[in-house]
Amino acid sequence: DTEVTQTPKHLVMGMTNKKSLKCEQHMGHRAMYWYKQKAKKPPELMFVYSYEKLSINESVPSRFSPECPNSSLLNLHLHALQPEDSALYLCASSQDLSGGENNEQFFGPGTRLTVL
Amino acid sequence: TQLLEQSPQFLSIQEGENLTVYCNSSSVFSSLQWYRQEPGEGPVLLVTVVTGGEVKKLKRLTFQFGDARKDSSLHITAAQPGDTGLYLCAGPNAGNNRKLIWGLGTSLAVNP
Repeated sequence: DTEVTQTPKHLVMGMTNKKSLKCEQHMGHRAMYWYKQKAKKPPELMFVYSYEKLSINESVPSRFSPECPNSSLLNLHLHALQPEDSALYLCASSQDLSGGENNEQFFGPGTRLTVL
Repeated sequence: TQLLEQSPQFLSIQEGENLTVYCNSSSVFSSLQWYRQEPGEGPVLLVTVVTGGEVKKLKRLTFQFGDARKDSSLHITAAQPGDTGLYLCAGPNAGNNRKLIWGLGTSLAVNP
């Protein structure tokens, strides 16, 4: 299984809502990532987990809260978002963070988030 | 600061034509990855090049890593409409290999 799955595919939420994005991989990868991507731009890194511990937080606002319940799952909890947070949210995984081909990242299909 | 510059930014060609896109930097990268992304979908990893001078082929796609590991190219032979998409190159940040540095991408349209 070489797939990263993400749910939901699309999400529309108001600024007062609380929602969660989910990501799952069964490749035995020990590093997982959240990215945000705006139209016609490359992905922007938000968070990196390594062996279920938060390794990188790219100064992301606290209205985004990541969680890694186990080595296969990664969640992103959303609360009090702003319209400018509307974007494609991508999850990725890699073997680990040791470098070379072990850092190859495999992406899920993304969640298209719209904040009204 | 490491940067990856991709060119051209946009490319529109007819089916059957050949094309080359470039990913250049003034910095050395330990490896470079190429992805293709279709609208509304996540990037799909095409290849990783690691060794300077390396050439890898994936059907009609040929990837080359420069001898000095500062640049890479992607050549597509006899392009098909299914090759349409955004081609992104990315490489590990030398100061923190947990992060990827991304190029801005080449948007390719192959017209039937």
